[in-house]
Amino acid sequence: QKEVEQDPGPLSVPEGAIVSLNCTYSNSAFQYFMWYRQYSRKGPELLMYTYSSGNKEDGRFTAQVDKSSKYISLFIRDSQPSDSATYLCAMKDNNDMRFGAGTRLTVKP
Amino acid sequence: NAGVMQNPRHLVRRRGQEARLRCSPMKGHSHVYWYRQLPEEGLKFMVYLQKENIIDESGMPKERFSAEFPKEGPSILRIQQVVRGDSAAYFCASSPGQGQAEKLFFGSGTQLSVL
Repeated sequence: QKEVEQDPGPLSVPEGAIVSLNCTYSNSAFQYFMWYRQYSRKGPELLMYTYSSGNKEDGRFTAQVDKSSKYISLFIRDSQPSDSATYLCAMKDNNDMRFGAGTRLTVKP
Repeated sequence: NAGVMQNPRHLVRRRGQEARLRCSPMKGHSHVYWYRQLPEEGLKFMVYLQKENIIDESGMPKERFSAEFPKEGPSILRIQQVVRGDSAAYFCASSPGQGQAEKLFFGSGTQLSVL
């Protein structure tokens, strides 16, 4: 079993749809939870950062962490074609950071 | 305020040659991380360095791979005697330091192709 599980997709949605991306993990020591967005042929860029459980909202993006279920989510409201990218979840304990495999998202106009 | 700079963007090597990948962290960042990414796979941690020190190299193969981050100049990831299986995208990331290590800033990567 991988430490971080993420459905690779691909996921295709129409413009304006609500997108839900998820990851599960097995290491209960993870405390920091991140979502990175990676455009084709580019490096990942930090999109959302959450410490411990709870929700965090930033514009059209909402990150949720449920440590009891070891489950994290990223919601994108009013999705745009420019949101088309690969989204990687990442999580960290005091030492190690682990990334999910990434979910490839396409938002069609 | 330049971001993390990696060069070259693309590197082609024949089997048995050496590959050198360079990374200049963001200004003010003293922590550098190297990751490897294969298609449809996540980022795999290789090595974590601070200036002149290797902090964690648990993800780096013990043979043929080495990394350094000298007092002056960029961080270098060196792969000796490359094989086809080394073909991948190699990303460097930097962070400000203690207490901020979860906020990584990535470069655009070096795509290594081994013929």
